[in-house]
Amino acid sequence: DQQVKQNSPSLSVQEGRISILNCDYTNSMFDYFLWYKKYPAEGPTFLISISSIKDKNEDGRFTVFLNKSAKHLSLHIVPSQPGDSAVYFCAASADWDDNFNKFYFGSGTKLNVKP
Amino acid sequence: EADIYQTPRYLVIGTGKKITLECSQTMGHDKMYWYQQDPGMELHLIHYSYGVNSTEKGDLSSESTVSRIRTEHFPLTLESARPSHTSQYLCASSEGRERYNEQFFGPGTRLTVL
Repeated sequence: DQQVKQNSPSLSVQEGRISILNCDYTNSMFDYFLWYKKYPAEGPTFLISISSIKDKNEDGRFTVFLNKSAKHLSLHIVPSQPGDSAVYFCAASADWDDNFNKFYFGSGTKLNVKP
Repeated sequence: EADIYQTPRYLVIGTGKKITLECSQTMGHDKMYWYQQDPGMELHLIHYSYGVNSTEKGDLSSESTVSRIRTEHFPLTLESARPSHTSQYLCASSEGRERYNEQFFGPGTRLTVL
């Protein structure tokens, strides 16, 4: 049973425009969310995170928005650059095991930023 | 920059062979993880470790086993490989007891069992 869902397998955006990647989750216990970025033949790398006490977190061109009532988060990339072309994974964590940070990952969205 | 390594990067092997996927990290992290990912699918946690001599099974049932004899080393073993084991295997590590510590990933091993 997939608890974190990324329903768009791919997204294509023109350079300079905004990229919006979406993620939905089903478990209301999740209280910490992360986005990872993955280039081909490399492991995922951490991009940005958000705690459930916030509804927005910004880091440079990357902003994550959290809508707890809708169990939805999104990653905005503005402006998009060709180097942003990668697979983006959404992940979530819950406080049921304080000793361990187990993450639940979505299936990823492949972003293609066209020059 | 993360210092976590996986070997081999690619492995093609016949059914019934025993294989070990290596994972090492030089960051002194206590926690280590193994994920399995099929193409276009989510990462599934198959094993994790709190530290030396600690190993636990993850959410996805796996026929593989792991060991943690040294902090920096977390190998995964398949005693008898089968085509159903064909997948990508990602190793990760994180530090400390804080739940919010990010996980650092290795580049992965793509395993194909014929």
